[in-house]
Parts: sequence; structure tokens; C-alpha cells
Amino acid sequence: NAGVTQTPKFRVLKTGQSMTLLCAQDMNHEYMYWYRQDPGMGLRLIHYSVGEGTTAKGEVPDGYNVSRLKKQNFLLGLESAAPSQTSVYFCASSLDRPSYEQYFGPGTRLTVT
Amino acid sequence: AQKVTQAQTEISVVEKEDVTLDCVYETRDTTYYLFWYKQPPSGELVFLIRRNSFDEQNEISGRYSWNFQKSTSSFNFTITASQVVDSAVYFCALSEARSNYQLIWGAGTKLIIKP
Repeated sequence: NAGVTQTPKFRVLKTGQSMTLLCAQDMNHEYMYWYRQDPGMGLRLIHYSVGEGTTAKGEVPDGYNVSRLKKQNFLLGLESAAPSQTSVYFCASSLDRPSYEQYFGPGTRLTVT
Repeated sequence: AQKVTQAQTEISVVEKEDVTLDCVYETRDTTYYLFWYKQPPSGELVFLIRRNSFDEQNEISGRYSWNFQKSTSSFNFTITASQVVDSAVYFCALSEARSNYQLIWGAGTKLIIKP
């Protein structure tokens, strides 16, 4: 039982490049989330999903897209990376709505130069 | 306005001391949830506790205890007899209906336990 996994763990991009972060969970959770964490701040929600085939915007969605084609996977895409997107990205999942305990992946450290 | 305030940016204590981390929240909902998460130096986020607004009983789990006071909108976290392994960043978070129950995070308190 791996819980929530994220790939890759580290990535360096040049401005304008694109990439996709993959999140996978094996707990059959309905809800999945993408957060970013910047120094001195709490986590901020980028996008989330309430079930397979659904996505919704969070607090800071600009510059990101997401897809949830399969229940266990939640992908975060950056179409044209900017230095402001340098951050640590966390994926999480919960059995039901966000007020349930959220289980987090190990994070992806992304640097955009 | 901050909905979750963790006024202590960093706390440093010597091992075996007791330490309290403060969390003050703001909400107009009558039903809401409060959380504490731990982020050790390795970076992962670890769930510690979840309380709903109708349960003001204090919680104790080993050396950890939580004091929930609606009258002061606070949900403070105390570590008794701190250990070096308690060194981490601790986050308080709020989940309220008017925000679709999405977690609203405080900025975190960095706790340093010196041997």
C-alpha cells in the first residue's frame, strides 16, 4: 500500500518549457488535490477533483491545468513555465470532502530558471 | 484578512521543555473543522489531528495535547517533554462550509528542539 505517490521528485525547467506532474493514490479516494508550498507560507490550493472526470479551480489556478481521467491519477500540467512557478508541489487525496483527513504525497521540488 | 493565524514564526526550546504552538482562526460558520499537520525536515506532511466545531473536548495523544477554545477562536497544540524528533514545521488549518470545506492553511510555526 503505497498511499500517495508523486513523480518526479525534482525537476528543473527553463522559462517557457512545459511539464506534467503525476500523482497516484491507491486508497480509492474520491477527492484529490494539488497544492503549492512557498517559503514562509502555508499550502495554497491550485486545483482539485471531486471524482473521476471532474476538476475544479482552487485559490491559485492560473498557469496550471489538471486532468483526472482515472480515479487513481491526478495530473498537473504547466504549459509554459514561469519563474514564479518555482515551488514545492504537493498532491493529496481524501476519502470524501476536504474536511476529511488528507493524505499527502512526498512533494515535487520544481525550479524554473 | 488571515483566516488562520500562527503568530509564532519560529520557536526554539531545549529538549524536555514543554512548548505550545498557537493557532487562531476566523470563521462565521457554525460547522467547521480544524487540523494540525506536521512537516519534518524530510518534507512530507503528516496528519496529527482533526476536530469539529461541536467537540470542544481537549485531546491528548501521548506527549501531544490540543486545546480547542471556541470563545477565543483558538486551537493550540502543546508538546510535553519535547524531543529532538519533534523538530518540524507545524501547520494549523481550517475547513469551513463557505469555502467548500477546502483547507485554509496557516503560515506554519517552525519548531526547533535543541539537544
